[in-house]
Amino acid sequence: DTAVSQTPKYLVTQMGNDKSIKCEQNLGHDTMYWYKQDSKKFLKIMFSYNNKELIINETVPNRFSPKSPDKAHLNLHINSLELGDSAVYFCASSQQDRLGEQYFGPGTRLTVT
Amino acid sequence: QQQVKQSPQSLIVQKGGISIINCAYENTAFDYFPWYQQFPGKGPALLIAIRPDVSEKKEGRFTISFNKSAKQFSLHIMDSQPGDSATYFCAASKSGRNNDMRFGAGTRLTVKP
Repeated sequence: DTAVSQTPKYLVTQMGNDKSIKCEQNLGHDTMYWYKQDSKKFLKIMFSYNNKELIINETVPNRFSPKSPDKAHLNLHINSLELGDSAVYFCASSQQDRLGEQYFGPGTRLTVT
Repeated sequence: QQQVKQSPQSLIVQKGGISIINCAYENTAFDYFPWYQQFPGKGPALLIAIRPDVSEKKEGRFTISFNKSAKQFSLHIMDSQPGDSATYFCAASKSGRNNDMRFGAGTRLTVKP
């Protein structure tokens, strides 16, 4: 059984388009995250959702908006895509009292042309 | 600012050797220090973790050494194997609501046969 799943795995799109990445976890965790990993492999947290409430919003452009329909899902919507948005995006989940034990999805490689 | 500093950026070790990756943190409120392992094309996976009340934790060939006074911790991989070749991230987190985990910049380990 896949613990944290993301779709799609690859996403190629043009500048200016709007796209979404979906994430689902079946671990029963109460906190979910989105990370961006750039070409140098640096992992940067973008958002954290706990029980459908946004906990962290790092210095991320407001073109990025997380949407959580329920505790098991945290989708990432991106408006007006830019070249600099090209990266691998990872979804992760954990229990709120065990923030350091995060389970990551397989990643979505976004390429903006 | 980068709250967790990791070195070296890359490391090449011969099979059977010891791999050592070092990290330093700034915020004394951090109370959980995990290491994540990431293979190409995969998401990071929790490898081993330590809390600041112990100075060392060992799991198989992997050992974390922790120096609270120096605010440093390190990962030692004994008898390194080619299958250990991956990118390793140290991280630090603090408990409680509105908190998150901060990652080091990563170390690309190559174990040569």
